[in-house]
Amino acid sequence: NAGVTQTPKFRILKIGQSMTLQCTQDMNHNYMYWYRQDPGMGLKLIYYSVGAGITDKGEVPNGYNVSRSTTEDFPLRLELAAPSQTSVYFCASSSPRGQGIQPQHFGDGTRLSIL
Amino acid sequence: AQKVTQAQTEISVVEKEDVTLDCVYETRDTTYYLFWYKQPPSGELVFLIRRNSFDEQNEISGRYSWNFQKSTSSFNFTITASQVVDSAVYFCALSEANNQGGKLIFGQGTELSVKP
Repeated sequence: NAGVTQTPKFRILKIGQSMTLQCTQDMNHNYMYWYRQDPGMGLKLIYYSVGAGITDKGEVPNGYNVSRSTTEDFPLRLELAAPSQTSVYFCASSSPRGQGIQPQHFGDGTRLSIL
Repeated sequence: AQKVTQAQTEISVVEKEDVTLDCVYETRDTTYYLFWYKQPPSGELVFLIRRNSFDEQNEISGRYSWNFQKSTSSFNFTITASQVVDSAVYFCALSEANNQGGKLIFGQGTELSVKP
């Protein structure tokens, strides 16, 4: 199993450009998440989804959009890139099955620079 | 409100020393889960442990051990006889059981450097 796969691994954007960060998982997890990690900081939740067709905002959603058309895929879109969005982005997934809150499985991250 | 505080930003030890990483959390819920993740220099996040609020037993896994104390709202992580491969950023995280989607609140992380 590949687990959670993120593409691309690195990207440089110009201010005002748009792009989509791809995330796919092959564990049949209902829950998926997008986080950003700024230097010296913990991870902050951008958006999450509890199933196909259902998404909701996290702590820092401004400037981002998501969609969840399938269980496997959860792309994150930046419409008008700004320098403040320079960060490392992590996608994660978890299962609602089992007892209690299950651990999240993370992708390897996408390092994004906005210049 | 939920909050996780890892007051130690950076810790440096020499190989074979024991080291404890502190984690203090805040929550109003009586049912919650605590996690530790490791982020090695390669950047990925690796799950280490999950603990629920009803299980205060300490846990040991090899050189790793965790001390959960509800009375002080702490969930500390100790590495015994540290090794260079333990060098990483370690994150403590909290999830309240009644939150939709199992969302995690992360601490700021503690960067551990183990020198040979």
